[in-house]
Amino acid sequence: AQKVTQAQTEISVVEKEDVTLDCVYETRDTTYYLFWYKQPPSGELVFLIRRNSFDEQNEISGRYSWNFQKSTSSFNFTITASQVVDSAVYFCALSEEGGGGSNYKLTFGKGTLLTVNP
Amino acid sequence: KAGVTQTPRYLIKTRGQQVTLSCSPISGHRSVSWYQQTPGQGLQFLFEYFSETQRNKGNFPGRFSGRQFSNSRSEMNVSTLELGDSALYLCASSTDRGHSPLHFGNGTRLTVT
Repeated sequence: AQKVTQAQTEISVVEKEDVTLDCVYETRDTTYYLFWYKQPPSGELVFLIRRNSFDEQNEISGRYSWNFQKSTSSFNFTITASQVVDSAVYFCALSEEGGGGSNYKLTFGKGTLLTVNP
Repeated sequence: KAGVTQTPRYLIKTRGQQVTLSCSPISGHRSVSWYQQTPGQGLQFLFEYFSETQRNKGNFPGRFSGRQFSNSRSEMNVSTLELGDSALYLCASSTDRGHSPLHFGNGTRLTVT
């Protein structure tokens, strides 16, 4: 069975600090996809990144960076120089291959509530 | 391009009633999936539709059902509401190509009293 664990329930930082959100996953599939989503108070889940199981290259997008390590089944997310607008719940998710290769079914972690204080 | 639209935003229902939630996907997206979000269970997959066919269903009782119309719009229905059905119901659409990301709506907040 697939499982995603986000051990950090809540994190509180002061603006401009760097923060890393941890994500550990379990799957028996050799082909899978990992995602990070952000959920601000408005409720909408906002897509941040997708990574497939064959691409372990780390990625940087502005203040955001992601570290994917298959050896430890981890897909961690770092925000550099955090800002108040980064305050939200962040979800890590894993997709099954599914029939037809679609990723309609995501297994989500419980989420990490990040609060960035001014 | 308009995002995923869910209506209504808020609903208050009484135990035993039924409810229908609506979702309009992003134009051109043919896959629509539904998720339930609660504080205790987190985000859980309900079902997914593509071209008016349900392709997969999560572990929810038969009181939860859905359908998709020819224009890709989708509805989900919950019959005989229970207190535990109180949740945020999120709809997501996708192009269904190569594990493309899901695009979520703002959700419908259902409260059962």
